[in-house]
Amino acid sequence: EIVLTQSPGTLSLSPGERATLSCRASQSVSSSYLAWFQQKPGQAPRLLIHGASSRATGIPDRFSGSGSGTDFTLTISRLEPEDFAVYYCQQYGSSPYTFGQGAKLEIK
Amino acid sequence: QVQLVQSGAEVKKPGASVKVSCKASGYTFTSYYLHWVRQAPGQGLEWMGIINPGAGSTSFAQNFQGRVTMTRDTSTSTVYMELSSLRSDDTAVYYCARGGWSELWYLDIWGQGTMVTVSS
Repeated sequence: EIVLTQSPGTLSLSPGERATLSCRASQSVSSSYLAWFQQKPGQAPRLLIHGASSRATGIPDRFSGSGSGTDFTLTISRLEPEDFAVYYCQQYGSSPYTFGQGAKLEIK
Repeated sequence: QVQLVQSGAEVKKPGASVKVSCKASGYTFTSYYLHWVRQAPGQGLEWMGIINPGAGSTSFAQNFQGRVTMTRDTSTSTVYMELSSLRSDDTAVYYCARGGWSELWYLDIWGQGTMVTVSS
C-alpha cells in the first residue's frame, strides 16, 4: 500500500499570498497518477488536479500541480478567500487508491 | 448534467448492516467505474473499494474485505454499497465517486454523501 504524507498539516496565510502544499509518497506513484482535491466543511471533495499537473474542468489557473515519482506539489499562486479549505492528495496508480491525511489552509 | 445522487442518512445499531445507494445520471452508466470513499467525523478520506458497473466486478481495500459488498442495477443506473457487522467506528459520511473507463482513473464527480451513524 502506498502511504501519502502531506505537509504542512496546517498552513496559515493571507489572501493574495502564495500557498505551497506537499504530498510525499512512500513509493513511486505509477505514471504520475496523482490527484488533488479541495474540501470545504459539509461538502464533498472537489477535483482540482489529475495526472499530477492537469487542471480539472472549470478550475482556475491559479491552481497548479507539479511533481513525479514520490514528490508532488499543489501551488495556489494568489489566494482568494474561497480557497481556504482542506486539501487532499490521492494516488490512483496502485490499489488501494490511498489519500493523504489532508492539509488545512487557514486564513492568517 | 453528470451527477451522482445518494440515499439519505441512516442510523444503525452495532452489529447491523447498512446499504447505501448511488444513482447516476447524465452519462453512460456502464462505461465508468464507481468508487466508494468514507470520511469519519473530523477525519480524512478513506478509499473503500471500486465497482465496474458494466461487468459487476469489484475490488476492495483490505480493511473492508469480508464486510463490504458492492452491487449495481443497470436498469436504474444505481450502485449499492452494503457494509455489515457495523461498529461505532464505522460512523462516517460515505461518498460514491465516478472514476473512468479504467480502474486507474481520477475521481471527477462525487455524490453528496450519506451520513451513517452507528450507535446503540
